[in-house]
Amino acid sequence: SQTIHQWPATLVQPVGSPLSLECTVEGTSNPNLYWYRQAAGRGLQLLFYSVGIGQISSEVPQNLSASRPQDRQFILSSKKLLLSDSGFYLCAWSTDLGRGRFGNTIYFGEGSWLTVV
Amino acid sequence: AQSVTQLDSQVPVFEEAPVELRCNYSSSVSVYLFWYVQYPNQGLQLLLKYLSGSTLVESINGFEAEFNKSQTSFHLRKPSVHISDTAEYFCAVSPFSGGYNKLIFGAGTRLAVHP
Repeated sequence: SQTIHQWPATLVQPVGSPLSLECTVEGTSNPNLYWYRQAAGRGLQLLFYSVGIGQISSEVPQNLSASRPQDRQFILSSKKLLLSDSGFYLCAWSTDLGRGRFGNTIYFGEGSWLTVV
Repeated sequence: AQSVTQLDSQVPVFEEAPVELRCNYSSSVSVYLFWYVQYPNQGLQLLLKYLSGSTLVESINGFEAEFNKSQTSFHLRKPSVHISDTAEYFCAVSPFSGGYNKLIFGAGTRLAVHP
């Protein structure tokens, strides 16, 4: 079966410090990978998605970046955190159905709480 | 572009009472529809989804949702809730186009079940 691991679960970082959140998926190959952010009292906002190694697309302009160095590894980074980066970050994956095919279930990790102080 | 509106941010209800969580969407293309549930301090879990076929879909824990194309709605219902149903519920759509499989979420509805 497929599993998704995300760490660290909780992180408190000072403003201006770097960030690295990691996510790995097991039990599948060539997944689509996603980073979402959930700010307090809000829904989920898609930050990045990736359809393959080294292929990253950003949905919104921001202070964060993402990388996919291996097929099942997805990393969310920042060089200098802002207070507004605080939130709950969720990594997710879905099976790649191929171009032009959509609607496959997206599975989420347990999330990482980031508090920037 | 697509958007999802969950009409109630919070829904308090007593145990064993029925509940309806409302969801409306807007989209210029056809979409698939999903409900996810988030228990406190956890990630999201798929509750149910509508892809095609019967417009009434059910989950294993007694929830159901009905796709109404004319009203662009996908309301979630349960005839009798339990304390353990207390969670945040997210409605989401996945458009048939856009180059990749993605979900657009509503702001969520917090369901609080009281004894």
